[in-house]
Amino acid sequence: NAGVMQNPRHLVRRRGQEARLRCSPMKGHSHVYWYRQLPEEGLKFMVYLQKENIIDESGMPKERFSAEFPKEGPSILRIQQVVRGDSAAYFCASSPGGTSNQPQHFGDGTRLSIL
Amino acid sequence: KQEVTQIPAALSVPEGENLVLNCSFTDSAIYNLQWFRQDPGKGLTSLLLIQSSQREQTSGRLNASLDKSSGRSTLYIAASQPGDSATYLCAVITSGTYKYIFGTGTRLKVLA
Repeated sequence: NAGVMQNPRHLVRRRGQEARLRCSPMKGHSHVYWYRQLPEEGLKFMVYLQKENIIDESGMPKERFSAEFPKEGPSILRIQQVVRGDSAAYFCASSPGGTSNQPQHFGDGTRLSIL
Repeated sequence: KQEVTQIPAALSVPEGENLVLNCSFTDSAIYNLQWFRQDPGKGLTSLLLIQSSQREQTSGRLNASLDKSSGRSTLYIAASQPGDSATYLCAVITSGTYKYIFGTGTRLKVLA
């Protein structure tokens, strides 16, 4: 399967723990985008990364959230000291380049539940 | 600031009907507009992508149109089937950016 792969599909954490969400882009894609879908809300952009660089993190909460896309391996969205309000579906998308006329391909998401 | 609105929020139709979903956006300077389908608990499936220079795109029973000047797009579904039941999302990329701005979707239910 050459699509965008996200894991885990479901993640349960207790308040105060850390959550790590992984995204492997499509083969040949070097641009990754993370979006969050809160219950009963639309998808909201969080962060845009290229290999080893954060290009735009304007949608990321200022505290507890971080993202990386290392030279080797998947992109990681990390949430420290999770709270109930972090419960959401987190989607990753990838594109071959950063130009706006290239469609972004989405993964199936990680559903994060905070107890 | 770009805002995307979709109406109706929910729609229930009998099988076989032709239907239209609407999407409007406030900033007409867009690079492209994309329609997605989302099944409950699943990811997004891309249906149609319309570049800013295009007026419409077709795929099977689906036809999407784009009127940039009025900030509107419609998704036309012909001969609807129960398998079409899902949430349909509209998203745009505004010129000078690379992030999708999504509408809140239309929840479609096609009754057998």
